[in-house]
Amino acid sequence: GAVVSQHPSRVICKSGTSVKIECRSLDFQATTMFWYRQFPKKSLMLMATSNEGSKATYEQGVEKDKFLINHASLTLSTLTVTSAHPEDSSFYICSARGDERQPQHFGDGTRLSIL
Amino acid sequence: AQSVAQPEDQVNVAEGNPLTVKCTYSVSGNPYLFWYVQYPNRGLQFLLKYITGDNLVKGSYGFEAEFNKSQTSFHLKKPSALVSDSALYFCAVRDFEYGGSQGNLIFGKGTKLSVKP
Repeated sequence: GAVVSQHPSRVICKSGTSVKIECRSLDFQATTMFWYRQFPKKSLMLMATSNEGSKATYEQGVEKDKFLINHASLTLSTLTVTSAHPEDSSFYICSARGDERQPQHFGDGTRLSIL
Repeated sequence: AQSVAQPEDQVNVAEGNPLTVKCTYSVSGNPYLFWYVQYPNRGLQFLLKYITGDNLVKGSYGFEAEFNKSQTSFHLKKPSALVSDSALYFCAVRDFEYGGSQGNLIFGKGTKLSVKP
């Protein structure tokens, strides 16, 4: 089946650091990629949606200058958490899909811990 | 607006018994429906989808789901539960109203399935 690789799986860093998370579709072309945030024992909260080569569409309440998304190719999207603070600590999950009738396939998530 | 409801926070089942995880949805047009499973500290794994066609959809790991248009339901089922099925299950509907063709997934809040030996 379709595979989405997300890296790194875990990050622990100091407050003020910027952290980049990569999301790759390994065996299909991802027309659209999604970034989610998941709080403990909660459902996924969509942060933003991106199409290859265009600017990401951010959900209401998500700071675009804080969470920089780049979807430079049909197989790679990156999320950069700039100047991270403890409140940014969370589980971030990326997802990718081809055309609209296809399911979204998810990466294994990145556990971000800001000290 | 599109929405998905999973009325049960947790479902407890004995191994070998049938299991059902409930999902109801609300859409304005024809729904695209999905089930995903999440194991601890992992992303979501696709189980099955309903787009069109047969109301009974078969998916991975012996799971199936029945699309019921009159009851706007898409319950997940398995005839005989395994301890390894214990996980968090999410129902989702694709939203084509919001964001035009981007079709974001709208997730239910999740149901924790616990299968005891």
